[in-house]
Amino acid sequence: DARVTQTPRHKVTEMGQEVTMRCQPILGHNTVFWYRQTMMQGLELLAYFRNRAPLDDSGMPKDRFSAEMPDATLATLKIQPSEPRDSAVYFCASGPGTGSSLSGNTIYFGEGSWLTVV
Amino acid sequence: AQTVTQSQPEMSVQEAETVTLSCTYDTSENNYYLFWYKQPPSRQMILVIRQEAYKQQNATENRFSVNFQKAAKSFSLKISDSQLGDTAMYFCAFFNNAGNMLTFGGGTRLMVKP
Repeated sequence: DARVTQTPRHKVTEMGQEVTMRCQPILGHNTVFWYRQTMMQGLELLAYFRNRAPLDDSGMPKDRFSAEMPDATLATLKIQPSEPRDSAVYFCASGPGTGSSLSGNTIYFGEGSWLTVV
Repeated sequence: AQTVTQSQPEMSVQEAETVTLSCTYDTSENNYYLFWYKQPPSRQMILVIRQEAYKQQNATENRFSVNFQKAAKSFSLKISDSQLGDTAMYFCAFFNNAGNMLTFGGGTRLMVKP
């Protein structure tokens, strides 16, 4: 049963600490998204990748956030230094991306990483 | 850029009744996908139903169906025989096949009442 795997599921950290969230996309998927969800702002797109290349990270605060795909099976989202306003649920999602056929193009989400910065 | 609008922040329905959630979008693309995701209190994002823009036939998944009006750029979700477990946030999403962008609406909170 293919699924997107995120770690950690829950993280409580102190302000100023570095936080790294990891995502394993579904095998064969070449499009990966990072979203942040807070109570007030719904789902915000932070970054997304196609074939490991970043296509859009305009939604991400560049001074403290960074997103990478070291290889096709791992995407990371780092916050350094973390702040209380970063407390949210961070979702990773993956999809098969564009190809010669549109069929089967569905985006699947991981269960999210719940981050609390105190 | 694509935009997705869900005009109903909250809705409620009696158990076993039918409810329709609205979604409109704006795009200049011709090939794209539309999704409805369900998010229960656990916060997990669960795909409910998917529609390919090039298909005229409305998608159906058990009690869930859509009314896709491409010219009107409308994509509503109908839930028949509502169940208590349908209580959740529902998000409409647009997937731009050309740019691989996934854009969400603001969500509709659905409460199914016993």
